[in-house]
Amino acid sequence: DAKTTQPNSMESNEEEPVHLPCNHSTISGTDYIHWYRQLPSQGPEYVIHGLTSNVNNRMASLAIAEDRKSSTLILHRATLRDAAVYYCILSNTGNQFYFGTGTSLTVIP
Amino acid sequence: DVKVTQSSRYLVKRTGEKVFLECVQDMDHENMFWYRQDPGLGLRLIYFSYDVKMKEKGDIPEGYSVSREKKERFSLILESASTNQTSMYLCASSRGPPEAFFGQGTRLTVV
Repeated sequence: DAKTTQPNSMESNEEEPVHLPCNHSTISGTDYIHWYRQLPSQGPEYVIHGLTSNVNNRMASLAIAEDRKSSTLILHRATLRDAAVYYCILSNTGNQFYFGTGTSLTVIP
Repeated sequence: DVKVTQSSRYLVKRTGEKVFLECVQDMDHENMFWYRQDPGLGLRLIYFSYDVKMKEKGDIPEGYSVSREKKERFSLILESASTNQTSMYLCASSRGPPEAFFGQGTRLTVV
């Protein structure tokens, strides 16, 4: 199964945009790109997903490279409540979700 | 509000005990998953089930088994608990991509 690579940690100032990168060079044509985040002491929660086109929702935006080998999760204005571990995940046609170690985002007041 | 409920937030068991971790979802989802989460290793898939009585191995099934007798319930079984199974266990359910819903997790300590 295709895997993802993310930086271990990132920092952002409050109220500023955050760009969280993800590399997935072995992605297959049927893999969706998902992002989840895990707040302290909670289970992961869904953030956004996409296949080929960029996507926006109330939580974030997802920018997908034209060759689909990388993507970027964009938080437009980071808040302290966005401090979490962010996971970039590829789902195969078997409806499975394989998580990596994610990026730990610190938001600085 | 959709919900995935894990029976315990914290468990302490002795080495060699048989341990049952229970997970119930109220969304009529076909797919259910068990993960364990360890520092530096992220979430790793143990088993998943896409229908009642169906199960598939994930990345790390050794030392675990599962049971799905009813659609809403997915149980993880440690036949003989060992200290290296001390971990956070997370259950999830989904109807399929894109969205999976996770429980709060069970922190299991095996002493």
